[in-house]
Amino acid sequence: DGGITQSPKYLFRKEGQNVTLSCEQNLNHDAMYWYRQDPGQGLRLIYYSQIVNDFQKGDIAEGYSVSREKKESFPLTVTSAQKNPTAFYLCASSIRTGPYGYTFGSGTRLTVV
Amino acid sequence: DAKTTQPPSMDCAEGRAANLPCNHSTISGNEYVYWYRQIHSQGPQYIIHGLKNNETNEMASLIITEDRKSSTLILPHATLRDTAVYYCIVRVVGAGGTSYGKLTFGQGTILTVHP
Repeated sequence: DGGITQSPKYLFRKEGQNVTLSCEQNLNHDAMYWYRQDPGQGLRLIYYSQIVNDFQKGDIAEGYSVSREKKESFPLTVTSAQKNPTAFYLCASSIRTGPYGYTFGSGTRLTVV
Repeated sequence: DAKTTQPPSMDCAEGRAANLPCNHSTISGNEYVYWYRQIHSQGPQYIIHGLKNNETNEMASLIITEDRKSSTLILPHATLRDTAVYYCIVRVVGAGGTSYGKLTFGQGTILTVHP
């Protein structure tokens, strides 16, 4: 079945360490997105990519980095510069043109201790 | 993108219709209305979208007012599994059909379906 896979589901890291969250899709979607969700809050856009080798900052990009070397993959690195990295991270993808909806992954819950 | 306003919470009895309102009074002509829902600790799920006509699919119906300033998502026969946070979002679809990446989620409506 086509979909988006985020791994791992739960991730624990020590403060000061960089960590990379994986996002892979086999939907042949051009666009991919990373969102962050804090308890009781809506989703906030971190980065998005409309095509391979191109990406743009969202609303809260500070302390995060991404790459888009392949259409299927859009990994997110949470760097030590991110002041409050503990959150639920969601990856999504969509067709680039047309009013189509997003497909979301099941999320990665990152806890920094 | 235009902002949306939704009630923070709603209740519905199982088997009854759930009608979730959304106000988007500053919507522009090329903005679509989207609905998503999120069950606790899962990724949001796309439900339906529309521009100006009413839409229906296997999950729900979307009623958009003639002036497009508000809409209602209807779950015709709510079940306990429909308990979730429901997000109403408006999003620009530009010339040539290009969608812009900034899908902005607000706080949504917490729908609780009771037995």
